[in-house]
Amino acid sequence: QKEVEQNSGPLSVPEGAIASLNCTYSDRGSQSFFWYRQYSGKSPELIMFIYSNGDKEDGRFTAQLNKASQYVSLLIRDSQPSDSATYLCAVNKYNNNDMRFGAGTRLTVKP
Amino acid sequence: ETGVTQSPTHLIKTRGQQVTLRCSSQSGHNTVSWYQQALGQGPQFIFQYYREEENGRGNFPPRFSGLQFPNYSSELNVNALELDDSALYLCASSLVVEDGELFFGEGSRLTVL
Repeated sequence: QKEVEQNSGPLSVPEGAIASLNCTYSDRGSQSFFWYRQYSGKSPELIMFIYSNGDKEDGRFTAQLNKASQYVSLLIRDSQPSDSATYLCAVNKYNNNDMRFGAGTRLTVKP
Repeated sequence: ETGVTQSPTHLIKTRGQQVTLRCSSQSGHNTVSWYQQALGQGPQFIFQYYREEENGRGNFPPRFSGLQFPNYSSELNVNALELDDSALYLCASSLVVEDGELFFGEGSRLTVL
């Protein structure tokens, strides 16, 4: 079992729709959770982080965490073609920089 | 732009050679981490440096080694290169050790022939 699992996609949504990206993790003791966006040929950039159960909103992005189910999700509202990228879920197990990344979900937003 | 710079951006080596990759962290960040990202995969943690000391290591063999300098810049050294070492090597800095908010450089793409 991989430590962090994501659907590889590709996930395709029309412009203006909601994109839903999901991630599960195996270590129940994991402390903090992150979503990074990676454009093709570029390095990852942090979009959101979440530490507590529930929802956290930032503009068009909402991160959701359910520790009991070991599940993290990212919702992108009003998707734009510029959101087309690979989205990496990352879990910080020990509150250090030992981040465990999923393989990423490739999102395509079609105009 | 994250303020994290890496060099070189691309390089080609042959099996058995050694390589040194360099990273300058964002101003004020005293923690540097190195990650390996193979094609189609997420980044894998190699190690972290804090105040010039290794402060955590992932599942990589000892031929992967590093340094951090007093100005918080860092090097990643890989000895006895293998074909599977071909990957994008990412340096990431953060403000504090416990912080998972990483600021990545653009990476060094290593090809081992």
